[in-house]
Amino acid sequence: NAGVIQTPRHKVTGKGQEATLWCEPISGHSAVFWYRQTIVQGLEFLTYFRNQAPIDDSGMPKERFSAQMPNQSHSTLKIQSTQPQDSAVYLCASSSGLGGRYAEQFFGPGTRLTVL
Amino acid sequence: GEQVEQRPPHLSVREGDSAFITCTYTDPNSYYFFWYKQEPGASLQLLMKVFSSTEINEGQGFTVLLNKKDKRLSLNLTAAHPGDSAAYFCAVRHGTGGYKVVFGSGTRLLVSP
Repeated sequence: NAGVIQTPRHKVTGKGQEATLWCEPISGHSAVFWYRQTIVQGLEFLTYFRNQAPIDDSGMPKERFSAQMPNQSHSTLKIQSTQPQDSAVYLCASSSGLGGRYAEQFFGPGTRLTVL
Repeated sequence: GEQVEQRPPHLSVREGDSAFITCTYTDPNSYYFFWYKQEPGASLQLLMKVFSSTEINEGQGFTVLLNKKDKRLSLNLTAAHPGDSAAYFCAVRHGTGGYKVVFGSGTRLLVSP
């Protein structure tokens, strides 16, 4: 079991460019979560999918951020027109349906995004 | 919505001492609680999970306490060692509704020899 895979591990973009982050959940897991981690804000929930359907995107900035899960093996987080304040580590986590809400999330290594 | 406050933000102890971290939450309907450990440069790993009917859970070298009346979740690392140096995060999930969890702001623990 390779765990949750995130690519790239590091990404540097110029202000105004687009960034696409990829996540491959653990095989068989039905839920995928995206978080943003910074020193100042800590771990911020962005959005999550269950059985590929978007369930809660209450943490997503309304502009420039979008997430998709086109199939059960990967999810993408896209940031358009990146800004320096988007610099953060973006974490993806997946969770199985076993145990319902008691099921823990398994985190990927994260993608460190730096916007110059 | 749920608010989770975690204290202290930084903690430095000597090897063999205890390290105590506390999270307080606001939503009385929160039912599932998790502690995660994040070592430097690594991602979050589950340390322990507890739910409302469990008040004390013991793991290898640590104890988790849940006080439902005070809406407080605690992690006590007993006899800490340098390998425990990491960031620790509590996470809280509602008993109904979706699967979203709310994380505490984290505690950076340093255990010196």
